[in-house]
Amino acid sequence: DAGVIQSPRHEVTEMGQEVTLRCKPISGHDYLFWYRQTMMRGLELLIYFNNNVPIDDSGMPEDRFSAKMPNASFSTLKIQPSEPRDSAVYFCASSYLGGTEAFFGQGTRLTVV
Amino acid sequence: KNEVEQSPQNLTAQEGEFITINCSYSVGISALHWLQQHPGGGIVSLFMLSSGKKKHGRLIATINIQEKHSSLHITASHPRDSAVYICAVTPKVYTDKLIFGTGTRLQVFP
Repeated sequence: DAGVIQSPRHEVTEMGQEVTLRCKPISGHDYLFWYRQTMMRGLELLIYFNNNVPIDDSGMPEDRFSAKMPNASFSTLKIQPSEPRDSAVYFCASSYLGGTEAFFGQGTRLTVV
Repeated sequence: KNEVEQSPQNLTAQEGEFITINCSYSVGISALHWLQQHPGGGIVSLFMLSSGKKKHGRLIATINIQEKHSSLHITASHPRDSAVYICAVTPKVYTDKLIFGTGTRLQVFP
């Protein structure tokens, strides 16, 4: 397996634009996590899915953020409209069981100008 | 107060030195994780442990459940060990999620 695949690796967008981040988890993993990493706050869990169902989205900062997992092999994190304070590295991770070893993607570095 | 605290925040060392990074947590846990993040790179899981000690190459992770404390040791450090090391715990209460420390930035100079 190629591991968790995220795209794009880098995204620069203007304030107000819609941004969509994509993630392909490892095949067979039932859990998928979206994290945001900033210098100030470190790694923060935004939302996670179990068997494609959102379980906990309490970390999603605002209604501007939404995430979907239409099938076991694909998830998106969307920000609409984007703001400069959304600039961060967004990581997707998957695991076979919750709370067990998580495998992280390479991250998407988002810059909103 | 963060539920997972790491120390030190920053650490510099000369090649060959023995390095220790500490992690303390305040919640009951089912597992503790050590992760490594290289500059500009992704995050890699180094260890997941719930008791005792684990060793992988020059890396050793220990945990003391009673004291709610874990350490990550690097023996014979090398410049390629330079990275951010992150401690995370799986709480007993909600076992699906990880709670992260803020990380320890390690620089090893030749």
